[in-house]
Amino acid sequence: SQQGEEDPQALSIQEGENATMNCSYKTSINNLQWYRQNSGRGLVHLILIRSNEREKHSGRLRVTLDTSKKSSSLLITASRAADTASYFCATVPTGANSKLTFGKGITLSVRP
Amino acid sequence: DAGVTQSPTHLIKTRGQQVTLRCSPISGHKSVSWYQQVLGQGPQFIFQYYEKEERGRGNFPDRFSARQFPNYSSELNVNALLLGDSALYLCASSLAPNGELFFGEGSRLTVL
Repeated sequence: SQQGEEDPQALSIQEGENATMNCSYKTSINNLQWYRQNSGRGLVHLILIRSNEREKHSGRLRVTLDTSKKSSSLLITASRAADTASYFCATVPTGANSKLTFGKGITLSVRP
Repeated sequence: DAGVTQSPTHLIKTRGQQVTLRCSPISGHKSVSWYQQVLGQGPQFIFQYYEKEERGRGNFPDRFSARQFPNYSSELNVNALLLGDSALYLCASSLAPNGELFFGEGSRLTVL
């Protein structure tokens, strides 16, 4: 079963714009992670935010976590055509070691 | 340094056959996890192994089995293949069960 639900399912923006992707989940979590996947290839880990953190930055990425609303957002600033990919949020439920539960993903298209 | 390597990268089988997929973790990583990703969906957790012992199992039938070897490499075996087993099978390794996951490029299985 899918724990995370990403929103929107697809996003198309112009190069240079910011992209905001949202994720909601159902159960209490140990941490939440965002991954990127290029066209059916392996997943690349982007960022991890723990349940006691509210915001985290990594380069052009900014992730927020609201455990009271069971939601997270991923912001990519100054997007590039190379950011075109599918993005997944994944949660590690409390007590589940590193078993990741993924959402269905968001398809991001960045137009040059 | 070599990342997670998986073999074969692509394979085609017919219904009822058996398949074995292989994974070599990053050097020093003792935990290996397997995920199934059906087209258009997020990855689904199948197994996690740590120090050669099964640490977690997802909601998959007994036709799916796995093992981890003394060198921490792993095999995923699927018996009596069904059309619905067609998917990208992803292996991920981590230093410890709760560690950040590093994914391989996957093995794409097509069942005809």
